[in-house]
Amino acid sequence: NAGVTQTPKFRILKIGQSMTLQCTQDMNHNYMYWYRQDPGMGLKLIYYSVGAGITDKGEVPNGYNVSRSTTEDFPLRLELAAPSQTSVYFCASSWSREETQYFGPGTRLLVL
Amino acid sequence: QKEVEQNSGPLSVPEGAIASLNCTYSDRGSQSFFWYRQYSGKSPELIMSIYSNGDKEDGRFTAQLNKASQYVSLLIRDSQPSDSATYLCAVKSEYSSASKIIFGSGTRLSIRP
Repeated sequence: NAGVTQTPKFRILKIGQSMTLQCTQDMNHNYMYWYRQDPGMGLKLIYYSVGAGITDKGEVPNGYNVSRSTTEDFPLRLELAAPSQTSVYFCASSWSREETQYFGPGTRLLVL
Repeated sequence: QKEVEQNSGPLSVPEGAIASLNCTYSDRGSQSFFWYRQYSGKSPELIMSIYSNGDKEDGRFTAQLNKASQYVSLLIRDSQPSDSATYLCAVKSEYSSASKIIFGSGTRLSIRP
């Protein structure tokens, strides 16, 4: 199993551009999550999903959108990139909300 | 007050000694507690979870939970240079949604030879 994979690994965006961060898991997990981690800080939950077709906001959802059309994929969309969105983005998945979250390798995003 | 607080460190411990990492939380309804290890430039990985008061041991790692005092700690025995990393404490409330999993900002641990 590849676990949780994320693409791209690194991206530079100009202010106002849009992009989609991809996340795929092959563990048949129901729950998937998107976090951001700013330098020297902990993880902040952006959005999460409890299954295909079901998504909900986390702690810091503004400026982001998600969709969950399949169990495996949970893309994160940035519509109008802002410098405040410069961060490392981690996708994670778990079998249930009580179970361990497995993290992807992260996407480093720089908005200039 | 932050919901999950950790000393940012760095905590410097000599090789072979015991490293003690602490975490306090504000939500008394919290039921699940996790310790993640994060190497520089890498993603977090779970090393311990604890759900009831007392100690839980796994190899060189021991998690300690005291719900009355609202703190959870992680002890690392026989510290090795490979233990040098940032340790994230995460707390989840039992009756809330996944959006209530709160991570601390992490404690940076450095094991000196």
